Amino acid sequence: GQNIDQPTEMTATEGAIVQINCTYQTSGFNGLFWYQQHAGEAPTFLSYNVLDGLEEKGRFSSFLSRSKGYSYLLLKELQMKDSASYLCAVADSNYQLIWGAGTKLIIKP
Amino acid sequence: TAGITQAPTSQILAAGRSMTLRCTQDMRHNAMYWYRQDLGLGLRLIHYSNTAGTTGKGEVPDGYSVSRANTDDFPLTLASAVPSQTSVYFCASSDASGMTDTQYFGPGTRLTVL
Repeated sequence: GQNIDQPTEMTATEGAIVQINCTYQTSGFNGLFWYQQHAGEAPTFLSYNVLDGLEEKGRFSSFLSRSKGYSYLLLKELQMKDSASYLCAVADSNYQLIWGAGTKLIIKP
Repeated sequence: TAGITQAPTSQILAAGRSMTLRCTQDMRHNAMYWYRQDLGLGLRLIHYSNTAGTTGKGEVPDGYSVSRANTDDFPLTLASAVPSQTSVYFCASSDASGMTDTQYFGPGTRLTVL
């Protein structure tokens, strides 16, 4: 079967750095997405990786290793507004997105 | 632009009743999707449409139907609601079909079936 694994919850301190991991087993791979979802709101796009390596976008970076079935989202200089759930999703061989359950990130002052 | 709109925002529905969740996008995207989101689970695809006039079944299609009469609208119908259909429903769209492209989400409809 297809499976996306992420930690259920993480806690970090304002101003610090946090890494959210995602491992996947899917039938085919056509890219990996990270989305942010604040409580009661819709998911919003953060990043997309299809090749191995690091993609940097401001305070957020995303890394992919296809051989290991592994990605992480790195958030730097954490702000209180970063408190949200972070969703990992993989596009399978049919280009359909398979979603992880999300990681709830709690930022403490 | 509005992006994607969904209606209603929330609804309480008696079991056995029918209901249509509305979704409209103004981005002229080819593909549209319906997901449900339940606590502790990832988003699960109910139905999708790669282009106007075509639809397909996702991971959890039973009890739901869709239509895609034009590019902008993609309604989701529950013919006879059951309590297990209590969930938050998200509509999404993307520019490309048959390839990987970013999906953009509507604000969601919170449905409670009693």
